Amino acid sequence: GMPVEQNPPALSLYEGADSGLRCNFSTTMKSVQWFQQNHRGRLITLFYLAQGTKENGRLKSTFNSKERYSTLHIKDAQLEDSGTYFCAAANYGNEKITFGAGTKLTIKP
Amino acid sequence: GGIITQTPKFLIGQEGQKLTLKCQQNFNHDTMYWYRQDSGKGLRLIYYSITENDLQKGDLSEGYDASREKKSSFSLTVTSAQKNEMAVFLCASSRDWGNNYAEQFFGPGTRLTVL
Repeated sequence: GMPVEQNPPALSLYEGADSGLRCNFSTTMKSVQWFQQNHRGRLITLFYLAQGTKENGRLKSTFNSKERYSTLHIKDAQLEDSGTYFCAAANYGNEKITFGAGTKLTIKP
Repeated sequence: GGIITQTPKFLIGQEGQKLTLKCQQNFNHDTMYWYRQDSGKGLRLIYYSITENDLQKGDLSEGYDASREKKSSFSLTVTSAQKNEMAVFLCASSRDWGNNYAEQFFGPGTRLTVL
């Protein structure tokens, strides 16, 4: 299968809702990075994790290398959270980074 | 802090033309990357370079050349532009792979249209 599988491909939430995105990895990865791509196409880093959990405001991300997954949780969704979210994982043994296919998030008022 | 710049911002070419995209970073990062993103899709790695004069193929290297002339710059050449091709090319850099630090920083992109 694909080295990085990202789910769901699309997600629609009402303002104020909570939800989560997930990336599963086909092999053990050494780190993961989560990005938001805005309507201008600019990639904004949300988190970089080599292990464990990080929080920043309404966002929280977890990376479990052994269990081969990472999650991104959004609390109290706001209109400006709309965009496409990507996870990208770094392999052991080479310098390649593999991106998930993305989750298109739409926040409705 | 630092910045990654990509030139040009928009590139319009003709079928069969050789086109060059440039990327500069002032982070003093070791590793640099070129990705292609088609509309509504994820990023695919074209080439990367772990140090000056190094070049490694990604998953999508066919039809492209790259050159890491110095630590701060990494250029990508589309060897023969394909008609009706439209994509955004994104450059990135990361600090120090050897010490296990792989966080990537991205440039704003070059949007290619081939007529």
